[in-house]
Amino acid sequence: EDKVVQSPLSLVVHEGDTVTLNCSYEVTNFRSLLWYKQEKKAPTFLFMLTSSGIEKKSGRLSSILDKKELSSILNITATQTGDSAIYLCAVGGRWGGSNYKLTFGKGTLLTVNP
Amino acid sequence: DAGITQSPRHKVTETGTPVTLRCHQTENHRYMYWYRQDPGHGLRLIHYSYGVKDTDKGEVSDGYSVSRSKTEDFLLTLESATSSQTSVYFCASHGGVTEAFFGQGTRLTVV
Repeated sequence: EDKVVQSPLSLVVHEGDTVTLNCSYEVTNFRSLLWYKQEKKAPTFLFMLTSSGIEKKSGRLSSILDKKELSSILNITATQTGDSAIYLCAVGGRWGGSNYKLTFGKGTLLTVNP
Repeated sequence: DAGITQSPRHKVTETGTPVTLRCHQTENHRYMYWYRQDPGHGLRLIHYSYGVKDTDKGEVSDGYSVSRSKTEDFLLTLESATSSQTSVYFCASHGGVTEAFFGQGTRLTVV
């Protein structure tokens, strides 16, 4: 069974700090790894990483995929209170022959204090 | 944003009654999911669909059934609602090796 583990489960930092969130996985026939941000509503998409795109960056957020270690990190530099959210990692793999299925981790709750 | 909507957005129901939640997407996405989210538990998969009439159980499927008779609609039914099914329910969909898009969520309260 596919498995996605995120760490830490929760994290409290001060504005301006840099944080690193971790995601490790065991997935059959890995195809992609995705990061989402969830505030008080539905998750919103941040990045997708694949074998052909192992690094992504957008502003203060960046992510790297390590296929050898079966893991990914999400970095947030110069954190702001608006970064407070649950960060979800999902991994996509081949399922049931020709299908594709996303498996989500439990998330990391990030709290940024002023 | 992808066109994926959930209905109703809020519902209060009594223990023992059946409840159906609807997820509708206009993107012709093949894959659809139902999750529930409770404090401290993150997203937990209830059911997954990989095509019309093709579904599979997730980790918390007991007490829930689904149907997908059309590509665009994925229905989640609580056969006999219990207080433990009070939760926020999210639907998601995607077309292939792409990001999944989420509906706005349904807050269900079973009293």
